[in-house]
Amino acid sequence: RKEVEQDPGPFNVPEGATVAFNCTYSNSASQSFFWYRQDCRKEPKLLMSVYSSGNEDGRFTAQLNRASQYISLLIRDSKLSDSATYLCAVNKATDSSYKLIFGSGTRLLVRP
Amino acid sequence: EAGVTQSPTHLIKTRGQQATLRCSPISGHTSVYWYQQALGLGLQFLLWYDEGEERNRGNFPPRFSGRQFPNYSSELNVNALELEDSALYLCASSLEINSPLHFGNGTRLTVT
Repeated sequence: RKEVEQDPGPFNVPEGATVAFNCTYSNSASQSFFWYRQDCRKEPKLLMSVYSSGNEDGRFTAQLNRASQYISLLIRDSKLSDSATYLCAVNKATDSSYKLIFGSGTRLLVRP
Repeated sequence: EAGVTQSPTHLIKTRGQQATLRCSPISGHTSVYWYQQALGLGLQFLLWYDEGEERNRGNFPPRFSGRQFPNYSSELNVNALELEDSALYLCASSLEINSPLHFGNGTRLTVT
């Protein structure tokens, strides 16, 4: 099983739609969770951190479910400019070691 | 505030040569991370440097190595280049453990 898994998509939605992505992780000791956005052939850009109580930033809502070991990203009122690949990232912390593991990404296409 | 900077933007090498990639973190960030993203694939963790020391490395052969300098900038060296080393190499920095990573624009390495 991969450490961090995402549905690759693509999710093809019309403008204005609401779309949700999930990301599952295998390490129950993980403490930090993030969503990144990556445009084609560009670097990932931080979209938002994911907090235990859930958090919202404009049209974007992130949630964490520790019991089932997944995080989610909800995008409301999709815009054409939301078309991108969305990467989840989960830390793997063991002893003094730390690294952020990325999922392979979920591709979103927003059509007019 | 300047973001993470990487150089060069593009690098073309032939098989068997060595490549050196450079990265300057965001001012005040002491941790530098290197990731490899081959075409169509996810980000694979390569190396983590903090305070001048290598703290963790991913599942890559020893010909992938690097260092971090006293000013926290970092260098990634890839020896004996192979065709499959062709990828986007991303450097990121963070303020502290469990903080999000901020990525540079990447170096696109092509091995012919």
